[in-house]
Amino acid sequence: EAGVAQSPRYKIIEKRQSVAFWCNPISGHATLYWYQQILGQGPKLLIQFQNNGVVDDSQLPKDRFSAERLKGVDSTLKIQPAKLEDSAVYLCASSLDSYTIYFGEGSWLTVV
Amino acid sequence: AQSVSQHNHHVILSEAASLELGCNYSYGGTVNLFWYVQYPGQHLQLLLKYFSGDPLVKGIKGFEAEFIKSKFSFNLRKPSVQWSDTAEYFCAVMDAAGNKLTFGGGTRVLVKP
Repeated sequence: EAGVAQSPRYKIIEKRQSVAFWCNPISGHATLYWYQQILGQGPKLLIQFQNNGVVDDSQLPKDRFSAERLKGVDSTLKIQPAKLEDSAVYLCASSLDSYTIYFGEGSWLTVV
Repeated sequence: AQSVSQHNHHVILSEAASLELGCNYSYGGTVNLFWYVQYPGQHLQLLLKYFSGDPLVKGIKGFEAEFIKSKFSFNLRKPSVQWSDTAEYFCAVMDAAGNKLTFGGGTRVLVKP
């Protein structure tokens, strides 16, 4: 079974630039998550989708972060403009039943 | 809001030693509890989970965890570690509706050969 696919794996940008990350969940998984993992910390949920609707985006900094999941499959997370403190690994995950969550390998962002 | 606290940030031990990692959570309702592991260079993987029933749950690779409701704890244990258990371990809690998986800060475990 193919896992959760993410791209790009690594990205270095300057502050105030924009970046987008893409995620393809496991086929058939209705729930999709984006997490932010800052070095030395546990993952923090940014947004949770159920199909193409948002279930929870309470911790998404909406002034600079946006996410969409058109057609209920792939998802894109965008940061514009990026700040130094956005340097982190952005993890995408998906779930069939919300109780067993599968994570991708992450997209590493460095903002300089 | 739910939160998770992991007591140790770093643990170093020798092969064959026993491992216990502490995890306490804060949440007012029924919870589902998880331990995830992240091996170097790999993605997060589920070690074990507790939803209900027997509070002692067994997971993969010889790991087990005990849910103690009165202490709001879900500690992870392994009787005898191997070098390959070197990884970062995360405790996580989810509400009963299956929403908002919240992670602790993680514990880095280094097993010396």
